[in-house]
Amino acid sequence: AQTVTQSQPEMSVQEAETVTLSCTYDTSENNYYLFWYKQPPSRQMILVIRQEAYKQQNATENRFSVNFQKAAKSFSLKISDSQLGDTAMYFCAFSSPSYNTDKLIFGTGTRLQVFP
Amino acid sequence: NAGVTQTPKFQVLKTGQSMTLQCAQDMNHNSMYWYRQDPGMGLRLIYYSASEGTTDKGEVPNGYNVSRLNKREFSLRLESAAPSQTSVYFCASSENVAGDAVTEAFFGQGTRLTVV
Repeated sequence: AQTVTQSQPEMSVQEAETVTLSCTYDTSENNYYLFWYKQPPSRQMILVIRQEAYKQQNATENRFSVNFQKAAKSFSLKISDSQLGDTAMYFCAFSSPSYNTDKLIFGTGTRLQVFP
Repeated sequence: NAGVTQTPKFQVLKTGQSMTLQCAQDMNHNSMYWYRQDPGMGLRLIYYSASEGTTDKGEVPNGYNVSRLNKREFSLRLESAAPSQTSVYFCASSENVAGDAVTEAFFGQGTRLTVV
């Protein structure tokens, strides 16, 4: 069974600094997708970034980028120039086309606090 | 665009009472999902419906039933609520195209359920 592990329950960063959130996963699948979701205090789940395992290039979305290390089964999220609005829970998630659905396996989350 | 709409947003139940959480999506998505979110546990899949007319158990289905009423609607029923079912419940939907891809899941705003 696939598992997703986020070993940092809480992190903090000062505004404008850079922070990296860690995620590791375990799978025997060869084709899979990894995601980072943001959950602000409003409770809404917002997709931040996604990575297809077959792509060697790391995904980037504006200030958000990932470091995808397939052999190490590691998928970290880097937030550059942190903003107060980045304060949220961040969830790493896994899915695979072999599921025949888009169901997600989530990690336990990292609570990020951005300080002024 | 409404996206995924859940009702109600908040609910308090007494142990043993029953209730149905409603979910509707207006994106013509094939697949729909119910997750629960508990502190320190991330989101866990309760049930999902890969396509209209089908439903399957997820990771934590005990104590719940679901109905895929039509392509738009997917309800979650608690027949006899227990304090262990106190949680935040999320409905999600995705296009779920056949093939080797995983499509983005869109989430509702969540329902905070308290069972006393």
